[in-house]
Amino acid sequence: EAGVAQSPRYKIIEKRQSVAFWCNPISGHATLYWYQQILGQGPKLLIQFQNNGVVDDSQLPKDRFSAERLKGVDSTLKIQPAKLEDSAVYLCASSHGGASGSTDTQYFGPGTRLTVL
Amino acid sequence: AQSVTQLDSQVPVFEEAPVELRCNYSSSVSVYLFWYVQYPNQGLQLLLKYLSGSTLVKGINGFEAEFNKSQTSFHLRKPSVHISDTAEYFCAVIPSNDYKLSFGAGTTVTVRA
Repeated sequence: EAGVAQSPRYKIIEKRQSVAFWCNPISGHATLYWYQQILGQGPKLLIQFQNNGVVDDSQLPKDRFSAERLKGVDSTLKIQPAKLEDSAVYLCASSHGGASGSTDTQYFGPGTRLTVL
Repeated sequence: AQSVTQLDSQVPVFEEAPVELRCNYSSSVSVYLFWYVQYPNQGLQLLLKYLSGSTLVKGINGFEAEFNKSQTSFHLRKPSVHISDTAEYFCAVIPSNDYKLSFGAGTTVTVRA
């Protein structure tokens, strides 16, 4: 089966510009996650969707970050305006589980490496 | 709140030698435990997970890990590594009270011939 797809793979922008990342999860996976991985650290959950609803966005900086999964399939994560500290790899993952409270395996995409100058 | 500590940031090892990557966690509730591997320019891939049952868990590519509740550890081992095992390894936990996956900072394993 096809894995989690993400685009673009790399993006370089200047601070205060906006940027958007796209993710297409594994077909049939109800749950979609966006993580931020800063260099030298483990991934940190930003937002979790179940179908097209938000399950958890407690760690999403909502003043500048937004995400949507309108049709319950693919998703976009946007940053506007970007700051230097947003430089990181943004990982998308999906899992089959439809219920919150799931230990289903999360399958990760290759990530988008963002550099903010 | 829970935290995951990977005790070694970098582990150099010779080909065919054994390797152990150490992971400790702290949590006020029971946890589920995972090891992921990230090969260069690829996404994270699940190596193994402990949900319940036997504390010795076998995963893909010859890796295994042992859950030690009294020491709050979940160390990863492989008896003989290959060059292709060069990657970054992440320990992660899901606490039973919020089901969010939290990662350690990672251990970079470099296998040399």
